[in-house]
Amino acid sequence: DSGVTQTPKHLITATGQRVTLRCSPRSGDLSVYWYQQSLDQGLQFLIQYYNGEERAKGNILERFSAQQFPDLHSELNLSSLELGDSALYFCASSVDAGTSLIGNTIYFGEGSWLTVV
Amino acid sequence: AQKITQTQPGMFVQEKEAVTLDCTYDTSDPSYGLFWYKQPSSGEMIFLIYQGSYDQQNATEGRYSLNFQKARKSANLVISASQLGDSAMYFCAMRQGEGGSEKLVFGKGTKLTVNP
Repeated sequence: DSGVTQTPKHLITATGQRVTLRCSPRSGDLSVYWYQQSLDQGLQFLIQYYNGEERAKGNILERFSAQQFPDLHSELNLSSLELGDSALYFCASSVDAGTSLIGNTIYFGEGSWLTVV
Repeated sequence: AQKITQTQPGMFVQEKEAVTLDCTYDTSDPSYGLFWYKQPSSGEMIFLIYQGSYDQQNATEGRYSLNFQKARKSANLVISASQLGDSAMYFCAMRQGEGGSEKLVFGKGTKLTVNP
């Protein structure tokens, strides 16, 4: 158990709908990352938050948004869903976001399987 | 741009034997970190081992060791005494940090099958 909790584990929804994925980081971790894993794109970094603030953005679509709350949990919102959004979405966390502590391990949750039909 | 290359889409190994999974990386940043993760068929991403660019010794974690050759920009994972439960996808990743942000860049993975 990595200590990173993601819900729901599985989700099936229709095209055009909106879903919210939730993540609770490891105790003490301030950084939260979201990744998307699909068969054709592999593991893609979406976005990072550190202590409530957006820190880095990757290949995140405009239909997707995220936020990190004061209690450090994070939510990834996916809207106007398309078939191609079907993927495994990972949340990960680490203690720090600074390059001075580059040894911080990034731990992943078990992922949320999203199927868009 | 930083890049991770895993050239072995699939590997087979006999139970109890050792296996090496290859990983090469490309970066111009002198400070970086290299990770290996295991992803079983159930989907979770399990951290295995970490190597920092300034670490003098190769990292080891139980049956996992990282053969770090900085000049060749390679960070191969060695699994000793393979077990059936080691069958999984293995991802090499590099941590890059720019302006206070850090993210992992992943390779495409190697599927390891351990045969009895």
